[in-house]
Amino acid sequence: DVKVTQSSRYLVKRTGEKVFLECVQDMDHENMFWYRQDPGLGLRLIYFSYDVKMKEKGDIPEGYSVSREKKERFSLILESASTNQTSMYLCASNGRVGSPLHFGNGTRLTVT
Amino acid sequence: AQRVTQPEKLLSVFKGAPVELKCNYSYSGSPELFWYVQYSRQRLQLLLRHISRESIKGFTADLNKGETSFHLKKPFAQEEDSAMYYCALTTSGTYKYIFGTGTRLKVLA
Repeated sequence: DVKVTQSSRYLVKRTGEKVFLECVQDMDHENMFWYRQDPGLGLRLIYFSYDVKMKEKGDIPEGYSVSREKKERFSLILESASTNQTSMYLCASNGRVGSPLHFGNGTRLTVT
Repeated sequence: AQRVTQPEKLLSVFKGAPVELKCNYSYSGSPELFWYVQYSRQRLQLLLRHISRESIKGFTADLNKGETSFHLKKPFAQEEDSAMYYCALTTSGTYKYIFGTGTRLKVLA
């Protein structure tokens, strides 16, 4: 069974801090994704990666960057956290285009 | 642009009643459609996908290309079905998945 693990379940950070959210998958999946989940807005794609060191912007990339140095790990970086980035962040992966996404448990980030 | 619409934010039904969660999409080609479910304090997980044409936990969903819909149905709701449900779309040749805004289903005893 695919396991997608997000390193933190809850994070509280201050405005202006640099924040790292880590995600690891154990099924040798090519593709990895970062979404944010907000009530009434559903899931919105921030960034995705289809190979090591390859990344593409999703629908709401502003204020975020990503890093994929190894196939199994995909990091989301908030360069300077702001209160409007308070949200639930979900990491997902899949093995090929069109196959179902496998999600992590999520990281609830609060920026104060 | 591709879009997925779930018109109901909240749907409350009594145990044993039929359930229909609506999903409409906009895409001119052949989409791949999914339903995902998130139970309380659990991760988002796949419920079913249209190409499988299977029933999972009593739920079914039929792709209606004429009405561009992929509604999720269950004839008799159970309390354990209470959860957040998301409809999602992807298309061939793209990595992106488009999610709807979700419908919270509450099954009342």
